[in-house]
Amino acid sequence: NAGVMQNPRHLVRRRGQEARLRCSPMKGHSHVYWYRQLPEEGLKFMVYLQKENIIDESGMPKERFSAEFPKEGPSILRIQQVVRGDSAAYFCASSRGMNTGELFFGEGSRLTVL
Amino acid sequence: QKEVEQNSGPLSVPEGAIASLNCTYSDRVSQSFFWYRQYSGKSPELIMSIYSNGDKEDGRFTAQLNKASQYVSLLIRDSQPSDSATYLCAVNMPGNQFYFGTGTSLTVIP
Repeated sequence: NAGVMQNPRHLVRRRGQEARLRCSPMKGHSHVYWYRQLPEEGLKFMVYLQKENIIDESGMPKERFSAEFPKEGPSILRIQQVVRGDSAAYFCASSRGMNTGELFFGEGSRLTVL
Repeated sequence: QKEVEQNSGPLSVPEGAIASLNCTYSDRVSQSFFWYRQYSGKSPELIMSIYSNGDKEDGRFTAQLNKASQYVSLLIRDSQPSDSATYLCAVNMPGNQFYFGTGTSLTVIP
C-alpha cells in the first residue's frame, strides 16, 4: 500500500497521559502536514514539516504539543498530559512539496481522552 | 478574513439533479485548487484538482476556476445518494501551505 499510513487508528488515553501519533507519508513525498478535526467541524491546520525541519507550526498549541519528522522513520505528533479537549481525529497528509502538488490524507488517528 | 470560504449548507438536491458547490479564496497569488470529499467518520479524499482558469471535467464532476474573481466551484451532474458527503475546498497558497474551507454538507435525496 503506497498511501499515507497512520497509526494507531484509535487511541484511548486517560487525562494526564501522553499520546503519540505516527504518520508515514506516501512514497516519494517529503512533506507532511498534520490537521485536527473535531466532530462536525472543519479541518484545523496544526503543523507542516519536511524531513528534519518544521516549516510552519502556527496552528499548534504552544504547550503540550510537539511534532517531528526525523531523517529516518515516520513523522510523530506528540501530545503530553492530554486533556478531554484533545479528543479529536488527527489527520496526516503528505505531498511532493511542489506548488502544484496534491495533498493526500491518511485514514486518521482518533484520540479519545477519558 | 478567512483564507478560504464555503457555504456550510446543508445543500439538498434530488437524485439525478446537478449539485453546485462554491468556494472563494483571499490570496490572488494562489496557483493550485482542490476539491475533497469527506464521508462521515472518514478521511478527506481528493476528487478534483485545477490549476488554470476554465473548466476541468472528470466523469460526473466539473471543477471551474476563475482567478480574476477568486472563485472555484464544483458541479456534480446526475447526483447519486452515494455523493452525500461533506465537500472541502482547498487552496495551495505561497509557502506550500494548504488552506481548507469549513466544507459544504451535501445530501442527495433518492
